[in-house]
Amino acid sequence: AQSVTQLDSHVSVSEGTPVLLRCNYSSSYSPSLFWYVQHPNKGLQLLLKYTSAATLVKGINGFEAEFKKSETSFHLTKPSAHMSDAAEYFCVVSLPDTGRRALTFGSGTRLQVQP
Amino acid sequence: GAGVSQTPSNKVTEKGKYVELRCDPISGHTALYWYRQSLGQGPEFLIYFQGTGAADDSGLPNDRFFAVRPEGSVSTLKIQRTERGDSAVYLCASSLGTSLLETQYFGPGTRLLVL
Repeated sequence: AQSVTQLDSHVSVSEGTPVLLRCNYSSSYSPSLFWYVQHPNKGLQLLLKYTSAATLVKGINGFEAEFKKSETSFHLTKPSAHMSDAAEYFCVVSLPDTGRRALTFGSGTRLQVQP
Repeated sequence: GAGVSQTPSNKVTEKGKYVELRCDPISGHTALYWYRQSLGQGPEFLIYFQGTGAADDSGLPNDRFFAVRPEGSVSTLKIQRTERGDSAVYLCASSLGTSLLETQYFGPGTRLLVL
């Protein structure tokens, strides 16, 4: 079975400092991995996705993530946090090789950005 | 262009009542997904449509839940004999094609409260 674990339920950073949101996955197959962001009262928005091409994936708003198979990790980073980055972030896994279409979401990490 | 829309945005009902939740996908998107997000959790997959047919309904929790997409566009999620535990945000997503590598675009959700 596939699963995804987000290691921190809350992360607080100061504006202008780096962001690190941690995600580990477990899968018997070659996964596709995604990060989605959810701002209050808004729909989920795709930040970036890994689909077995380059292991370092660049997304929108300056975010990037690195797929590390040996560590089964897909951590999300950003060099400098903005106030507008405050939101809920979800690490997501899918298994295209199995034919299943469902996305499996982690439990989320709430990012707070302090002025 | 317009994104995924969901109506109503909020629904309050009483235990035992029947509710219908509507999803309008992005025009031309062939795949449509329903997810449920309970408070403090990540979204959980319910059902996936490819065109008019439900290709995967393995996430529906029980037979009180049913979804249709009769013309391959708009979808309705139907919940019979609602229970307090059904209270959650119901999310709809659509994608252009049927490959799971395609981005799923999410609507803002319907917040269902069962009293």
